[in-house]
Amino acid sequence: GAVVSQHPSRVICKSGTSVKIECRSLDFQATTMFWYRQFPKQSLMLMATSNEGSKATYEQGVEKDKFLINHASLTLSTLTVTSAHPEDSSFYICSAMDRLGTEAFFGQGTRLTVV
Amino acid sequence: QQQVKQSPQSLIVQKGGISIINCAYENTAFDYFPWYQQFPGKGPALLIAIRPDVSEKKEGRFTISFNKSAKQFSLHIMDSQPGDSATYFCAARGDTGRRALTFGSGTRLQVQP
Repeated sequence: GAVVSQHPSRVICKSGTSVKIECRSLDFQATTMFWYRQFPKQSLMLMATSNEGSKATYEQGVEKDKFLINHASLTLSTLTVTSAHPEDSSFYICSAMDRLGTEAFFGQGTRLTVV
Repeated sequence: QQQVKQSPQSLIVQKGGISIINCAYENTAFDYFPWYQQFPGKGPALLIAIRPDVSEKKEGRFTISFNKSAKQFSLHIMDSQPGDSATYFCAARGDTGRRALTFGSGTRLQVQP
């Protein structure tokens, strides 16, 4: 299957700082990318959907000013957690879909710990 | 309407046994039903997927059974192995409109040697 690379795999940041997570599609053009959040022993919860060159569509209850999503190219989307707080600590996972939309491929996830 | 209900929450199976995980959905617009396997600290990986025009799909030891009228689908893992111990998620999606997957709550499978 297609490869989606997510970086970093783990990050620890201080409360009040911002952290950026990158999601790259390595061998296909990702016209749509999804960002999920997963708490321990829970399911994946969709945060936002982004289409290349367009503003992201956020799910209800997700603060768009806190979780900034940029999908400026067909191979790269970024999620920036701004002014991070300990309650933002979670596992963040990106997923990418090509123009055909047949299948969504997932990144390896990023474990964010805010101290 | 967007929910996908998954059961059981956890499952313990002996090596060589059959693991069965069930999911049910409400939204009749869903027409793509994948199953994902997730190991701790990793992203989910696609195992197998089915569309409603078939009632069963088999890939190796993994089989999806699909019942369109009951709006239910299940994952069967034959000859379960300790290496299958992971969390399994069912998901569903429609072909138009909302393209994101709706995930079930997950099943933690433990295969005992």
